[in-house]
Amino acid sequence: GAGVSQSPSNKVTEKGKDVELRCDPISGHTALYWYRQSLGQGLEFLIYFQGNSAPDKSGLPSDRFSAERTGGSVSTLTIQRTQQEDSAVYLCASSLLGRIRTDTQYFGPGTRLTVL
Amino acid sequence: GDSVTQMEGPVTLSEEAFLTINCTYTATGYPSLFWYVQYPGEGLQLLLKATKADDKGSNKGFEATYRKETTSFHLEKGSVQVSDSAVYFCALSDSNSGGSNYKLTFGKGTLLTVNP
Repeated sequence: GAGVSQSPSNKVTEKGKDVELRCDPISGHTALYWYRQSLGQGLEFLIYFQGNSAPDKSGLPSDRFSAERTGGSVSTLTIQRTQQEDSAVYLCASSLLGRIRTDTQYFGPGTRLTVL
Repeated sequence: GDSVTQMEGPVTLSEEAFLTINCTYTATGYPSLFWYVQYPGEGLQLLLKATKADDKGSNKGFEATYRKETTSFHLEKGSVQVSDSAVYFCALSDSNSGGSNYKLTFGKGTLLTVNP
């Protein structure tokens, strides 16, 4: 079956511009996650969705970052007024249930964001 | 808080050599443990997992045993191939942490290069 997909695969933007990153989870997965992978920080959790609500946004690094999920499916991560330190690979993952430690997260290929 | 420590790379081996990548963890609850692999130019893939003490996860010739007494989850393979060249990430999903048992905490990754 289809895995997690993300678009675009690469995004180059200028400092100060807004960007939107999209994630399509595996069909039927109720939980969706965003992570960020950067050279200095490794893999960091950003936000978790259960259905359309986000009970944990604790990993979002600043109020320039926001995310939403609609229809219990597609999610969009928006970064406003991008800064060079936002350059990273943004990974989306989904899992069947969420909330339980045995649930397995399946990752998309990521969006590589470069802020010039 | 939770943390994962894995051996620093890079690790360079010859084909058919034995592989061990060490991983230890700190968790407040009773975590599930995972190994993810990232092949060049690709996204994170689940390699194997174990959800309780003494469980052994295995896949593609790789194995790891959940050792609660030593808080470890070392990855092993008896005979590596060139195609195993990738970055390997150890991760945990905790059962405690205020109910945030969905969040994956990752180690920094170990780059493995296998030469023919």
